[in-house]
Amino acid sequence: SYGLTQPPSVSVSPGQTATITCSGDELGDELGEKYVSWYQQKPGQSPMVVIYQDKRRPSGMSERFSGSNSGNTATLTISGTQAMDEADYYCQAWDSSTVLFGGGTKLTVL
Amino acid sequence: EVQLVESGGGLVQPGGSLRLSCAASGFTLSTYWMHWVRQVPGKGLVWVSRINSDASSSSYADSVKGRFTISRDNANNTLFLQMNDLRVEDTGVYYCAGDPRGSYFFEQWGRGTLVTVSS
Repeated sequence: SYGLTQPPSVSVSPGQTATITCSGDELGDELGEKYVSWYQQKPGQSPMVVIYQDKRRPSGMSERFSGSNSGNTATLTISGTQAMDEADYYCQAWDSSTVLFGGGTKLTVL
Repeated sequence: EVQLVESGGGLVQPGGSLRLSCAASGFTLSTYWMHWVRQVPGKGLVWVSRINSDASSSSYADSVKGRFTISRDNANNTLFLQMNDLRVEDTGVYYCAGDPRGSYFFEQWGRGTLVTVSS
């Protein structure tokens, strides 16, 4: 099993806002006390960071991607979702010198 | 161009060994903590191991502890993963990934190398 919990799939219409959650129910501490990062992975490609340290965007990343982390839930928000955003998304955090990933969420843009 | 290139994957029988390499170019590997992450095709990402910048500290997932060893050669900008006593469940694409100065995220990713453990 994965240490972080994500919904297996999320669907969104083009132009709408997509929200993907990540919970740390299995962690000893609250997820909000740790840095969470988010990765996008398209078929046949390596993962790519879209949000790191809860809410920071890598250089060149679209402002449509934003993140938050509070309590036991981290959230990735994609505003004005486009067809190019269709991909698998993974959350990631550190816990006691090890790294945890969520099981991944397949974002479908209908 | 910043690049990580993995090599060394292949088909191996259960109980066998493999040594993976990850060559960095376009950036100085020594400023990064480095990790190995596994992914079974069609499945999620699973963290395997990490090593800090000067190789003074490393950690492993419980599933590989005692069987895998991570190491690095900063002079030659290369990361390694020695995999012994391989099991069927070790099968997957192995990515090397770079964490800038221990910032808790993976900024750089390689393209991966496939390891298949099967009889």
